[in-house]
Amino acid sequence: DTGVSQDPRHKITKRGQNVTFRCDPISEHNRLYWYRQTLGQGPEFLTYFQNEAQLEKSRLLSDRFSAERPKGSFSTLEIQRTEQGDSAMYLCASSLAGATDTQYFGPGTRLTVL
Amino acid sequence: AQTVTQSQPEMSVQEAETVTLSCTYDTSESDYYLFWYKQPPSRQMILVIRQEAYKQQNATENRFSVNFQKAAKSFSLKISDSQLGDAAMYFCAYSFNNAGNMLTFGGGTRLMVKP
Repeated sequence: DTGVSQDPRHKITKRGQNVTFRCDPISEHNRLYWYRQTLGQGPEFLTYFQNEAQLEKSRLLSDRFSAERPKGSFSTLEIQRTEQGDSAMYLCASSLAGATDTQYFGPGTRLTVL
Repeated sequence: AQTVTQSQPEMSVQEAETVTLSCTYDTSESDYYLFWYKQPPSRQMILVIRQEAYKQQNATENRFSVNFQKAAKSFSLKISDSQLGDAAMYFCAYSFNNAGNMLTFGGGTRLMVKP
């Protein structure tokens, strides 16, 4: 068990560019979550998958944000036409659906939009 | 909508002493979970302790324990025998036992441990 991994750990981009982040969950976990954390705040839920199905996406911040989990394993989060307000830490978590369903977090991807 | 409030932006404690971090939440649900997560500086968030709302007994994990007051919607974390490694941001979180169990977090409490 290597834990949840995220790539890249840091991303600097210019306003208007598209960015994509990857999350690899714990191997046996079937749920995968994306959160955004701005400086000094708690994480804010964005979306989640159970296997390959995206079951909640109404909390995505705008239509510039999209996420996929094509084979029920890793997931990607894409932000199109980035804005300075998108600068934040993007956290991924995974869990095994069931009675406990405890979420385990990755190290995050820190996005800076210039 | 569920909300989680942590009223203490910062707390400090002397090494080996005990500290309590406060958390209140608002929900109309009866079946839910509460969590405390720790986020050390520049490191990933880790689960400290969890509490199921249907359990009356307060959860404990070694030096960490909670005081869960369901009627008051209060969920405080007590850290006993504080250690330097306990210094971190602590987040209280809530999840409703629906499909997905998305977490709603409080704003966090920064805990400083003085040697």
